[in-house]
Amino acid sequence: AQKITQTQPGMFVQEKEAVTLDCTYDTSDQSYGLFWYKQPSSGEMIFLIYQGSYDEQNATEGRYSLNFQKARKSANLVISASQLGDSAMYFCAMREGRGFGNEKLTFGTGTRLTIIP
Amino acid sequence: NAGVTQTPKFRVLKTGQSMTLLCAQDMNHEYMYWYRQDPGMGLRLIHYSVGEGTTAKGEVPDGYNVSRLKKQNFLLGLESAAPSQTSVYFCASSYPVGPRGQETQYFGPGTRLLVL
Repeated sequence: AQKITQTQPGMFVQEKEAVTLDCTYDTSDQSYGLFWYKQPSSGEMIFLIYQGSYDEQNATEGRYSLNFQKARKSANLVISASQLGDSAMYFCAMREGRGFGNEKLTFGTGTRLTIIP
Repeated sequence: NAGVTQTPKFRVLKTGQSMTLLCAQDMNHEYMYWYRQDPGMGLRLIHYSVGEGTTAKGEVPDGYNVSRLKKQNFLLGLESAAPSQTSVYFCASSYPVGPRGQETQYFGPGTRLLVL
């Protein structure tokens, strides 16, 4: 079974609208973390936001927020007021467990977001 | 502060040739990783290292070897390249994972490898 599932291969959104990128995960660990990365056309991977499984609040970083629904095992990325520069691939990733021995990230297949002027 | 750098940026190999990809980081990170990215597959972990002199296998280690002789460098070797190893290779580094687990990985710019 896929550990990270991103069901939207591509999305087109009008500039200035909000956009939600879906991510569901599968783990039996109680302790885990979820990451979102952005990959623009230039290729580099840029860290956006982190949510820990025990965090009581949904994570926010500027225009990025994470809609974390633990019971549904979903960690959707919300981008408010989208900009042309948001056009990129977006990857959801999970780290299972914490501390030494739990260094690995498992990535989803990504969603290509295109912002339309 | 260059972050994570990768050498070379692009390489073309013939089947059976060997090569080494170099990753260097100047953030004093303990952990380093090698991934490959293929269309529609996301990033998959090849090998990783939790400290100088240590290495471990990831999800897709076959056909690759690694070495971490210095803390700041992590080498990925292909002994006999195959067309299936055509991919974009990313190196990453991070601090050790702490109690909250929020330590992100910092990625290099990638190396595009084409095996003919």
